[in-house]
Amino acid sequence: DAKTTQPPSMDCAEGRAANLPCNHSTISGNEYVYWYRQIHSQGPQYIIHGLKNNETNEMASLIITEDRKSSTLILPHATLRDTAVYYCIVRVSPWSQGGKLIFGQGTELSVKP
Amino acid sequence: EAGVAQSPRYKIIEKRQSVAFWCNPISGHATLYWYQQILGQGPKLLIQFQNNGVVDDSQLPKDRFSAERLKGVDSTLKIQPAKLEDSAVYLCASSLDGLAGDLGFFGPGTRLTVL
Repeated sequence: DAKTTQPPSMDCAEGRAANLPCNHSTISGNEYVYWYRQIHSQGPQYIIHGLKNNETNEMASLIITEDRKSSTLILPHATLRDTAVYYCIVRVSPWSQGGKLIFGQGTELSVKP
Repeated sequence: EAGVAQSPRYKIIEKRQSVAFWCNPISGHATLYWYQQILGQGPKLLIQFQNNGVVDDSQLPKDRFSAERLKGVDSTLKIQPAKLEDSAVYLCASSLDGLAGDLGFFGPGTRLTVL
């Protein structure tokens, strides 16, 4: 599974959009981009994933560049409850093709009032 | 739907003692993962099961850690004997195979402190 690079920390004002970048320059054609977050003292929580098209769900939007070497997770209206560590993971899906959830260091997002 | 259950939530032991953690995945989920998360780091995959078979245990310290998943449902992770550096949160996750469903749902974790 390809490696990812994320900034260690970011701040965002409450109510503003939080844009979390991720570089995955060695991503393969069959690897998906997944985002998880981990709120303090809880297990990681799935947010969104995509292959090459932009994706949106009730939690967030995922923008993947055309060359698929980077992506951005967007939380459109960040709240204090979005304060967490956000992990970007690239992997083959499903597991039967060798995909694993391998976590890096993530980005610690602090949403401030 | 019920989530991934883990017990105990907290455990404190002395070094060289043994400890076991239990995980009950979401019903119907064939894939089960155990992770170790040391404070300030991302979760590290220890072992991955598909039903009751091991898919990947390359990061499991097999001299002291063992895991099993009898009947392809519940799983236990054991440490024997524990070392100080085993202090961490042990997370269990499960997933439903399939392109749309292979998301990985995590339990709350077991926080282990080794004194």
